[in-house]
Amino acid sequence: EPEVTQTPSHQVTQMGQEVILRCVPISNHLYFYWYRQILGQKVEFLVSFYNNEISEKSEIFDDQFSVERPDGSNFTLKIRSTKLEDSAMYFCASSVREVKEKLFFGSGTQLSVL
Amino acid sequence: GDSVTQMEGPVTLSEEAFLTINCTYTATGYPSLFWYVQYPGEGLQLLLKATKADDKGSNKGFEATYRKETTSFHLEKGSVQVSDSAVYFCALQTGANNLFFGTGTRLTVIP
Repeated sequence: EPEVTQTPSHQVTQMGQEVILRCVPISNHLYFYWYRQILGQKVEFLVSFYNNEISEKSEIFDDQFSVERPDGSNFTLKIRSTKLEDSAMYFCASSVREVKEKLFFGSGTQLSVL
Repeated sequence: GDSVTQMEGPVTLSEEAFLTINCTYTATGYPSLFWYVQYPGEGLQLLLKATKADDKGSNKGFEATYRKETTSFHLEKGSVQVSDSAVYFCALQTGANNLFFGTGTRLTVIP
């Protein structure tokens, strides 16, 4: 079965540094998402992306966050100046149609901000 | 706002035991409800879903019924296997292009 690929699986960074989390969605999918899960808490929606623009974002997704689909295959999440509270597991997901259909998730990137 | 609350884990069961993981929701409108599962080292995968009241989702021996009167979507399986060990997430969607997840419940099945 096709899968969503995320790299790296673990990322350690210093507070204030920029990080880019990378995702390769399934090739024929049109909708892309980022979620995150802080340890012990709920999986939280960050942003959805369709037709090369953000279609929805949560309150968490402030000016420190940005997403990009630079080359038609990758989908990236950038955090400009990381904070300690950004430490979490970040999940990328994609779907063929809107999210009522099956959502495919990657295995996640564990981000640790020191 | 929209949210789901699911049973705290971890849950440890013996093989062939009956499983229930509770999930209740709060939502405006008429949400679609989902159970996702995350096996070790993998991403979340859709396990089953129900899009309207009284619908029953089922897959791999798991079932969940959309109960509007109790705002619940409890996950059940009659006889668990070691291979069912995973983290289970309840989720809902209400028209917007995103899902609201619970905290996840870790299930460990011992032989």
